[in-house]
Amino acid sequence: EPEVTQTPSHQVTQMGQEVILRCVPISNHLYFYWYRQILGQKVEFLVSFYNNEISEKSEIFDDQFSVERPDGSNFTLKIRSTKLEDSAMYFCASRGLGTEPSYEQYFGPGTRLTVT
Amino acid sequence: AQTVTQSQPEMSVQEAETVTLSCTYDTSENNYYLFWYKQPPSRQMILVIRQEAYKQQNATENRFSVNFQKAAKSFSLKISDSQLGDTAMYFCALWGNDMRFGAGTRLTVKP
Repeated sequence: EPEVTQTPSHQVTQMGQEVILRCVPISNHLYFYWYRQILGQKVEFLVSFYNNEISEKSEIFDDQFSVERPDGSNFTLKIRSTKLEDSAMYFCASRGLGTEPSYEQYFGPGTRLTVT
Repeated sequence: AQTVTQSQPEMSVQEAETVTLSCTYDTSENNYYLFWYKQPPSRQMILVIRQEAYKQQNATENRFSVNFQKAAKSFSLKISDSQLGDTAMYFCALWGNDMRFGAGTRLTVKP
């Protein structure tokens, strides 16, 4: 069964450093998402991406965040200058287009980001 | 704005018993979808069940079923014959123009 993959599974970085979290969505999916889950808290929507541009973003997704689909398979989240409060689990998700169950988002296993 | 509320931070149930997790939501969208996701200790997000708002029939997936009350904006999850492997965080989620999650309910199944 196709699945969303994410690398790395755990990233440790120092405050102020840039990090890039990578995701490989399911190959025929067209919508891509990033979510964040601070430990012990709920999953929060960050951004959605379709047709090579951001379609929706939350108030969390400020100028330090950016997303890119550099090739036909990867979908990346870049955090330019990490802060301690960026420490969280980051989930990538993708979904297809068309008839049901197209609204089902498939989640990757997550990347745990630790900022020290 | 879309909101999802889960009012039960923690619940427990005896193995083989039935438990119901509550969820209420609010949205101005006419066409939306509701989901329950399970997050075990591994923290993977696993889709348990989904409901299309335009469908009146409650969704069922094996031991999992929902009670979808559209007028009341309620979407509860019933787990029948609870198993130890059901122990996890359960998140209710609403997809309208974006995905919103509830705060989660931590379910513990006791032997």
